[in-house]
Amino acid sequence: DAGVIQSPRHEVTEMGQEVTLRCKPISGHDYLFWYRQTMMRGLELLIYFNNNVPIDDSGMPEDRFSAKMPNASFSTLKIQPSEPRDSAVYFCASSLSDNGYTFGSGTRLTVV
Amino acid sequence: AQSVTQLGSHVSVSEGALVLLRCNYSSSVPPYLFWYVQYPNQGLQLLLKYTTGATLVKGINGFEAEFKKSETSFHLTKPSAHMSDAAEYFCAVSAGGSNYKLTFGKGTLLTVNP
Repeated sequence: DAGVIQSPRHEVTEMGQEVTLRCKPISGHDYLFWYRQTMMRGLELLIYFNNNVPIDDSGMPEDRFSAKMPNASFSTLKIQPSEPRDSAVYFCASSLSDNGYTFGSGTRLTVV
Repeated sequence: AQSVTQLGSHVSVSEGALVLLRCNYSSSVPPYLFWYVQYPNQGLQLLLKYTTGATLVKGINGFEAEFKKSETSFHLTKPSAHMSDAAEYFCAVSAGGSNYKLTFGKGTLLTVNP
């Protein structure tokens, strides 16, 4: 298996633009998680899905953030409009029940 | 609710020396505990986990951790540090059972000196 695949690896965008981050989980995993990592706040859980259904989105910072999982092999995290304070590394992770997460390599987002 | 405190944001050891990274947790239910490692510009990789059973858990790369309920601790150790161990290490906790949401500590950056 190729692991959790995230795209793009790097994204630089201007303030106010829409940003879409993509994630392909490991086949057969039933949980998918979106985390954000910054120096100030560390790793923050944004949202997670179980069998494509959002379970907890209490970590989504604002209405500017939205996430979808239309099928078991794909998820997106969208920021619209983006702001400089959204600059961070965004990680997607998947897991099969309680076997621990497998993380993707992350998307480094810079909003200028 | 669960929380994790990692004592020491930066630990420096000499090559061949003992590695000890400290983690204390808070949980209202029996916890599941994890250690992850992150190398520069990469995602997090699972080192080891404790769910139930034996309290001494062995992981990859020679690391191990011991769950001590009385001390609410899950410290990570390795007898002899290698240069390749230099990375950031994260302790994490979940409520276990059907709750797979992980709460991470702030991380400890391990430096290994030659």
